[in-house]
Amino acid sequence: NAGVTQTPKFRVLKTGQSMTLLCAQDMNHEYMYWYRQDPGMGLRLIHYSVGEGTTAKGEVPDGYNVSRLKKQNFLLGLESAAPSQTSVYFCASRLAGAENEQFFGPGTRLTVL
Amino acid sequence: RKEVEQDPGPFNVPEGATVAFNCTYSNSASQSFFWYRQDCRKEPKLLMSVYSSGNEDGRFTAQLNRASQYISLLIRDSKLSDSATYLCAVNMGYSTLTFGKGTMLLVSP
Repeated sequence: NAGVTQTPKFRVLKTGQSMTLLCAQDMNHEYMYWYRQDPGMGLRLIHYSVGEGTTAKGEVPDGYNVSRLKKQNFLLGLESAAPSQTSVYFCASRLAGAENEQFFGPGTRLTVL
Repeated sequence: RKEVEQDPGPFNVPEGATVAFNCTYSNSASQSFFWYRQDCRKEPKLLMSVYSSGNEDGRFTAQLNRASQYISLLIRDSKLSDSATYLCAVNMGYSTLTFGKGTMLLVSP
């Protein structure tokens, strides 16, 4: 099993450009998450999904959109990138049930100039 | 009060030392608890789940104190390779985990 994978690993954008980050998991997990991590801020939840076709807002959703058309994929979109969105983005997934751990992808390092 | 709080550190300890971290949580209805390890510029990885009765995995011991609403992580005989940031995570009964900001550990020769 590949676990949780993220594409791309690195990306540099100019202000105003758009892009989509792809997260894929092969563990048949119901729940999927997108976080951003900035120095001193910890992990902040952007959006999450509890199943195919469902999405919900997290702590910092503004400027991002998500889609979960297939159970194994969770897409994060930036429609008009801003320098404040420079960050490391982590995707995670887990099985439903409070006792289950989250598995993280390797991260995407995004720089917006 | 923040939902999940950790001392950011850094904790500087020599090799072989014993070090302990605490993590406090605000929601008394919290159901499950985890410790994650994050190396610099890498993704968090599960170190251990925390069970009500406490649990041990080699040099690592995790404990839960529901009355005082905190979890702890004890590392015995610290190794250089233990240097990392340790994140606690709490499931407060929702579909998301709430993470602390992490405690940095630096183990020196």
